[in-house]
Amino acid sequence: QSALTQPRSVSGSPGQSVTISCTGTGSDFGGYNYVFWCQQHPGKAPKLMIYEVSKRPSGVPDRFSGSKSGNTASLTISGLQAEDEADYYCCSYAGSYTWVFGGGTKLTVL
Amino acid sequence: EVQLLESGGGLVQPGGSLRLSCAASGFTFSSYAMSWVRQAPGKGLEWVSGISTSGGHTYYADSVKGRFIISRDNSRSTLSLQMNSLRAEDTAVYYCAKRGGYGDYTIDYWGQGTLVTVSS
Repeated sequence: QSALTQPRSVSGSPGQSVTISCTGTGSDFGGYNYVFWCQQHPGKAPKLMIYEVSKRPSGVPDRFSGSKSGNTASLTISGLQAEDEADYYCCSYAGSYTWVFGGGTKLTVL
Repeated sequence: EVQLLESGGGLVQPGGSLRLSCAASGFTFSSYAMSWVRQAPGKGLEWVSGISTSGGHTYYADSVKGRFIISRDNSRSTLSLQMNSLRAEDTAVYYCAKRGGYGDYTIDYWGQGTLVTVSS
């Protein structure tokens, strides 16, 4: 399974919006809408932010939203805050009970 | 509160073996599929292996197939990963991860991880 493709870095100023893309092949996304996004601060465990493309777990601010079009999924963070600075990973179910992650995107809040 | 506590990491020589454990609490362990996910130093996340609720079905990434064995003990709420024939490229932080709290195909909680270093 080949990794999903994410930009290595994105940045934005407080209050702005940023979008992180995640592109895969048809087999990676498997025709399913089972893409999730996690946030990882340095030295910490990942935290689930979006699941099944666009759903938010309880406790995640509604500033975080997800979408998918064709072979590209996206995570949008609106109203950027300093605490949003972290690495973000997309992950997709790849069939046969296997999963594939993106390479990760470092978000810098300027 | 879901808690996943990994242990067993350390320094091992190439070709050696190591067994990781994960103690789970705060949820009904036997009701959820589990996974191991790793992260090489300065690199991204990589799904390594998964196991069904009963332990009867196991799944592996191509990179570890034939060398790693995942297992679980539902009576003790414990997940394990037996790692054999270790290589330098297996050096990583290994996270125990829970699946299924938000749909069957979502990893929803990770432990804090345990570091495995493969080096002579």
